[in-house]
Amino acid sequence: AQSVTQLDSQVPVFEEAPVELRCNYSSSVSVYLFWYVQYPNQGLQLLLKYLSGSTLVKGINGFEAEFNKSQTSFHLRKPSVHISDTAEYFCAVSDWGGATNKLIFGTGTLLAVQP
Amino acid sequence: DTEVTQTPKHLVMGMTNKKSLKCEQHMGHRAMYWYKQKAKKPPELMFVYSYEKLSINESVPSRFSPECPNSSLLNLHLHALQPEDSALYLCASSQGGQRGLYEQYFGPGTRLTVT
Repeated sequence: AQSVTQLDSQVPVFEEAPVELRCNYSSSVSVYLFWYVQYPNQGLQLLLKYLSGSTLVKGINGFEAEFNKSQTSFHLRKPSVHISDTAEYFCAVSDWGGATNKLIFGTGTLLAVQP
Repeated sequence: DTEVTQTPKHLVMGMTNKKSLKCEQHMGHRAMYWYKQKAKKPPELMFVYSYEKLSINESVPSRFSPECPNSSLLNLHLHALQPEDSALYLCASSQGGQRGLYEQYFGPGTRLTVT
């Protein structure tokens, strides 16, 4: 069965500093990975996705992630964060159920950007 | 346009009430999903419709009844709910068929309170 681990429940960081949010996955089949962001009282918004090809994936709002098959990781990075990046971030892996796609989510990481 | 709409935004209902949540997308997606999200937790999958047929029911209690009247609409009928059912209910959609290749787009959610 596929699973996703986000070890950091909260990451505090100062504005304009770089940040990395960690995500590790386990999968026995082809891997499709996603990062979603959820701002307070809103739905989830797709930040970026890895399906195949280049292991460095660029997303919206200046975020990027690197797929590392040997370390089974898909860490999210941003070189300089803003106050507006404060939100919950979920890593997810796609699980094919034979007829329909399911998303398996990690437990989430709260990015808390301080001035 | 990558928008999924949900109505109502907020709903307060008593334990004996019957109410419905509505979700709509016009992206031509053929898979639609209902999730339940408690505070500070990742979304939990409830139901998946693929090509307007129920394809996954994650052992959800019968007081939740999904319906997919057509490829653009998804409803969730609620009856005799419990206070612990209070949560954010999220709808999502994705292109159907291909093995895990397509991301899910989420609506803003309905905040449900059961009194």
